[in-house]
Amino acid sequence: EAQVTQNPRYLITVTGKKLTVTCSQNMNHEYMSWYRQDPGLGLRQIYYSMNVEVTDKGDVPEGYKVSRKEKRNFPLILESPSPNQTSLYFCASSTRDRGAYEQYFGPGTRLTVT
Amino acid sequence: GENVEQHPSTLSVQEGDSAVIKCTYSDSASNYFPWYKQELGKRPQLIIDIRSNVGEKKDQRIAVTLNKTAKHFSLHITETQPEDSAVYFCAASNAGNMLTFGGGTRLMVKP
Repeated sequence: EAQVTQNPRYLITVTGKKLTVTCSQNMNHEYMSWYRQDPGLGLRQIYYSMNVEVTDKGDVPEGYKVSRKEKRNFPLILESPSPNQTSLYFCASSTRDRGAYEQYFGPGTRLTVT
Repeated sequence: GENVEQHPSTLSVQEGDSAVIKCTYSDSASNYFPWYKQELGKRPQLIIDIRSNVGEKKDQRIAVTLNKTAKHFSLHITETQPEDSAVYFCAASNAGNMLTFGGGTRLMVKP
């Protein structure tokens, strides 16, 4: 089954404790992206990757890091989480010729930073 | 960068009525305008999209219109059903790399 998976689905952590949210897709997609969703603000793009070893900033990259060492995986790293990073996070993927078009979203990760 | 505004933020209609959600964008270079539906607790799912070389696109009860001159686009849902209740997001992209979303519209269809 074609899918995008994220882990963990729910996470409660404390300020300053480094964490990683994993994202994996089995559709051989070149394009992957991370978004955060906050009430009234829609989804805002954090980082995206057009292919292995190619990443770029989205609209709200501050406080986040990503890496793309393998085509199927695109982890989101919070080196020192803060309460303002409490949010619902979505990973998405697409084929290279589609880029940001026609993205498939993962199930989401709800992060709470206390 | 691109800025997308979406109205209304909430919309309540009676089953069978039509619903219209409107979005405006700021970057005249934007050329792709998707609409996503997000049911409660679920992931966003693409329901329809339109490219800048097309003024209107229809898929059963859903239609999108695009006015490039005015930089606005709209989602029209006819004969609404309770299962249409969800949050709808518009978005715009100008380079195929980034997608900018509107703030979302919570649509409630009353039986």
